[in-house]
Amino acid sequence: NAGVMQNPRHLVRRRGQEARLRCSPMKGHSHVYWYRQLPEEGLKFMVYLQKENIIDESGMPKERFSAEFPKEGPSILRIQQVVRGDSAAYFCASSPPTSGRAPDTQYFGPGTRLTVL
Amino acid sequence: AQKITQTQPGMFVQEKEAVTLDCTYDTSDPSYGLFWYKQPSSGEMIFLIYQGSYDQQNATEGRYSLNFQKARKSANLVISASQLGDSAMYFCAMRENNIYSGAGSYQLTFGKGTKLSVIP
Repeated sequence: NAGVMQNPRHLVRRRGQEARLRCSPMKGHSHVYWYRQLPEEGLKFMVYLQKENIIDESGMPKERFSAEFPKEGPSILRIQQVVRGDSAAYFCASSPPTSGRAPDTQYFGPGTRLTVL
Repeated sequence: AQKITQTQPGMFVQEKEAVTLDCTYDTSDPSYGLFWYKQPSSGEMIFLIYQGSYDQQNATEGRYSLNFQKARKSANLVISASQLGDSAMYFCAMRENNIYSGAGSYQLTFGKGTKLSVIP
């Protein structure tokens, strides 16, 4: 059973370009979460998605950042017009569907390290 | 106020010894979950152990155990018989279940981590 897949593992962009980060959840998982980790920091929640729905984007910057999880294919985190401050590791996590209010443990992918020159 | 506090930026432990990594948390939600993750130098986040706020017993997973002291709001990770491969960053995280607001639960709030170095 493959784990959470993220690609690319490393991404270099120049200021003003777009960055697209992909995440394929574990098989059977329908909840996807994106987190950002700045150097020497813990992870910070960005957005929570289920198939075709954004459930909570309270941690997303208001501008330039967007996320989607289409019916088919991976979840995408998109950063437009990147700036140096966007340089960070971006982690995707997934968890299975749940009948209760509390979703299960989140399993993380290997992360995408974004460097903005 | 910080929701998750890890007061030890770095720790050293001799191989084969036990080590305790501290974590305190702050929440007014009576229902919550506590997690520990390991991040080796390769960068991935590896789930280690989970403790629910209503669990009566301390969680254990192999060499990992969670010393859960609810009244003190602490959830320390104990690693027994340390191995060289245990050298990594360790993060404590909390998920609040938001039972009063009905907002649902999913966000993990992470501490800043503890860097553990195992000495041969």
